Amino acid sequence: AQKITQTQPGMFVQEKEAVTLDCTYDTSDPSYGLFWYKQPSSGEMIFLIYQGSYDQQNATEGRYSLNFQKARKSANLVISASQLGDSAMYFCAMRGGGSARQLTFGSGTQLTVLP
Amino acid sequence: NAGVTQTPKFQVLKTGQSMTLQCAQDMNHNSMYWYRQDPGMGLRLIYYSASEGTTDKGEVPNGYNVSRLNKREFSLRLESAAPSQTSVYFCASNPRGQGAGGELFFGEGSRLTVL
Repeated sequence: AQKITQTQPGMFVQEKEAVTLDCTYDTSDPSYGLFWYKQPSSGEMIFLIYQGSYDQQNATEGRYSLNFQKARKSANLVISASQLGDSAMYFCAMRGGGSARQLTFGSGTQLTVLP
Repeated sequence: NAGVTQTPKFQVLKTGQSMTLQCAQDMNHNSMYWYRQDPGMGLRLIYYSASEGTTDKGEVPNGYNVSRLNKREFSLRLESAAPSQTSVYFCASNPRGQGAGGELFFGEGSRLTVL
């Protein structure tokens, strides 16, 4: 069974500073994918970034980067130069490599960016 | 660009009533999913359909039924609603048939309240 753990229910960061949101995972699949989604107060789910288990380099998408430490089974999201619009709930999720392509989600971290 | 469309957006039911949540995607995706989101618990998978003509139970299937009507449409039915089914429901789709990559595309969510 797959499990995603996000241990930070809430985080605060000052505008323009960087912030790291933690995510650890557990799986027995040798092939898996890790995802981060953003959910603003309006409720939609916005895909941010993806990391494959065999990817050699950490994924980056603009101000988002994924700090992937395979041995530690962690996939932390780093947001650089935080903006007020980054205030939202952030979910880490994982998919195994089999034909069942559903994502397993963590419980989320509520990020608040302070002016 | 419609993407994934869910109806209705909001619904209030009385205990014991039935209803169907409709979901349609116009991206020719193979896989479709129904998740529920409860406060502090992230998104939990109810049912999924890996391809047209197939459906499988997810983590929390009790009290629900699904129909994959065609490649575009995946409906979720509550036969006898209970207050414990008060939640926000998300439909999602994914284009790929195998492997760990490829993000889910989500609908805007349907907020259901059961009195």
